[in-house]
Amino acid sequence: EPEVTQTPSHQVTQMGQEVILRCVPISNHLYFYWYRQILGQKVEFLVSFYNNEISEKSEIFDDQFSVERPDGSNFTLKIRSTKLEDSAMYFCASRTPRGTQYFGPGTRLLVL
Amino acid sequence: AQKITQTQPGMFVQEKEAVTLDCTYDTSDQSYGLFWYKQPSSGEMIFLIYQGSYDEQNATEGRYSLNFQKARKSANLVISASQLGDSAMYFCAMREGYEAGGTSYGKLTFGQGTILTVHP
Repeated sequence: EPEVTQTPSHQVTQMGQEVILRCVPISNHLYFYWYRQILGQKVEFLVSFYNNEISEKSEIFDDQFSVERPDGSNFTLKIRSTKLEDSAMYFCASRTPRGTQYFGPGTRLLVL
Repeated sequence: AQKITQTQPGMFVQEKEAVTLDCTYDTSDQSYGLFWYKQPSSGEMIFLIYQGSYDEQNATEGRYSLNFQKARKSANLVISASQLGDSAMYFCAMREGYEAGGTSYGKLTFGQGTILTVHP
């Protein structure tokens, strides 16, 4: 059964460093999302992406964040200069035509 | 106001019994979707079940069913015949504004979650 994959599973970085989180959505899906979950809290929407552009973003998704679909399979989230409060689990999701979102296993980011 | 409210921070159930996890939602949209996800301790988010606002029948997927009461704006998850492997965090989520000017966005808004513990 096709699934969303994410790499790396864990990332430790120093404050101020750039990180790139990678996702491979399900191949025939057209809509992609990033969410984050700070430890012990609920899942929060960051950004949605369709037709090679951002379709919606939350107030969390400020200028430090960017997304890209560099080729036909990968979907990346870049955090330009990480802050301590960026430590969280980051989930990528892709969506069926009917609207069901399937999540990847997540990347656990720790900013020191 | 919270868009998704899960009032039960924790629930306990005996193995093989049924359990209901509560979810109420708030939206003024006519077209929306409701989802339940399971998050085990390993952290991944596993899709369980979906209910569209126009679906006339309550959704069912194996041991999971969704008790959808549109007038009360509730979408409770019922797990029948609980198993030890059902112990996890469960999130209710809503998708609003499925079609907006011809462009579908589809972001999900999540509740705070309910931790379910299944006792042997």
